[in-house]
Amino acid sequence: DIQMTQSPSSLSASVGDRVTITCRASQGISNSLAWFQQKPGKAPKSLIYGASTLQSGVPSKFSGSGSGTDFTLIISSLQPEDFATYFCQQYNTYPYTFGQGTKLE
Amino acid sequence: EVQLVESGGGLAQPGESLRLSCAGSGFTFSSYGMNWVRQAPGKGLEWLSYISDGSSNMYYADSVKGRFTVSRDNARNSLYLQMNSLRAEDTAVYYCARSANLAVWGQGTMVTVSS
Repeated sequence: DIQMTQSPSSLSASVGDRVTITCRASQGISNSLAWFQQKPGKAPKSLIYGASTLQSGVPSKFSGSGSGTDFTLIISSLQPEDFATYFCQQYNTYPYTFGQGTKLE
Repeated sequence: EVQLVESGGGLAQPGESLRLSCAGSGFTFSSYGMNWVRQAPGKGLEWLSYISDGSSNMYYADSVKGRFTVSRDNARNSLYLQMNSLRAEDTAVYYCARSANLAVWGQGTMVTVSS
């Protein structure tokens, strides 16, 4: 199975900050990488797919990059509603696998 | 509005069975592969299963292979997960999600396996 390693596992930030979350795959996954945001008690919400394509309706302060094994999610100008847990997921190979999550607090 | 709604969760004893359902609306259900994903309390996300749009391909995580079966009824815009031989470690919120990149998620249904 492809292991997805996210870092950091938690991140302390303030309103207005720019933050970077990374996700590394144990083997190449091309650009088959998605990012999700999850708030407590809620279902995950898709932010980005194809490593860098924003889902419809997702604000442009979210951006993704990378290909192969190394990927990055950047959130610029943090707002209170952005404090949540973020997950990456590879969908290149079954079984699909998720990173362990990054809690932004 | 594109929507997925899960149902069928509840309390089961170890060894028992449950069948989850996921109803899709607001999109052409038959055109999309569908997935089941779960999240144990306080834990991360675990992908469980995928079924292609026409049910010709199905894939499972090792943790549920041989115990869980995914199916769909495109005429009813519905996805199912038959869960047999349930274990305590299957306790989780179960989500259905559309397409390989999990673009759309349901709200989830809680399954608790306990004696």
